[in-house]
Amino acid sequence: KNQVEQSPQSLIILEGKNCTLQCNYTVSPFSNLRWYKQDTGRGPVSLTIMTFSENTKSNGRYTATLDADTKQSSLHITASQLSDSASYICVVVGDDKIIFGKGTRLHILP
Amino acid sequence: DADVTQTPRNRITKTGKRIMLECSQTKGHDRMYWYRQDPGLGLQLIYYSFDVKDINKGEISDGYSVSRQAQAKFSLSLESAIPNQTALYFCATSEGQGYGYTFGSGTRLTVV
Repeated sequence: KNQVEQSPQSLIILEGKNCTLQCNYTVSPFSNLRWYKQDTGRGPVSLTIMTFSENTKSNGRYTATLDADTKQSSLHITASQLSDSASYICVVVGDDKIIFGKGTRLHILP
Repeated sequence: DADVTQTPRNRITKTGKRIMLECSQTKGHDRMYWYRQDPGLGLQLIYYSFDVKDINKGEISDGYSVSRQAQAKFSLSLESAIPNQTALYFCATSEGQGYGYTFGSGTRLTVV
């Protein structure tokens, strides 16, 4: 069964600290993996898109990694800011399916 | 102006009523999608359209219908709303399979 599992479900960290969010998937065949940021009450916004051959991709303080062999991805946030408080959604695209993870809810405390 | 605009932003309706959610985009993308988001669940695909003459059911199309009036417009209808259709609805566009989505800001629908 095609699945995308994200962990942790929620995370609380202090402003300025780093954190890493995890995404494991079983989607096959695999086309690409995406990370989105969703602010409360808003639509998701794309952070990164990675294909099979890409191991890492950065977007400012956000760095995504992909291990297609183990079917795992991570999103690392460096020097967190209050504006990073949001849900982070991992999306895996197969040949004919797009599977959304349930997201990780990140809270940044001042 | 937003690239993908959804109207209304919020709506409360009664069980059994017909309601239409509208989506318009200025991206020039052929592909448009309607998703539903429930608390604690991932986004679920309701319907999608790859061009004006192409309409496809998603995972949870029962109880919903869509209309692609033009490349820029894709509306979602609930013919007879029921309480378990209370959710956050998102419209999205895409340039193609290898490209990300651009989402609208969502419509929060409450069926009482």
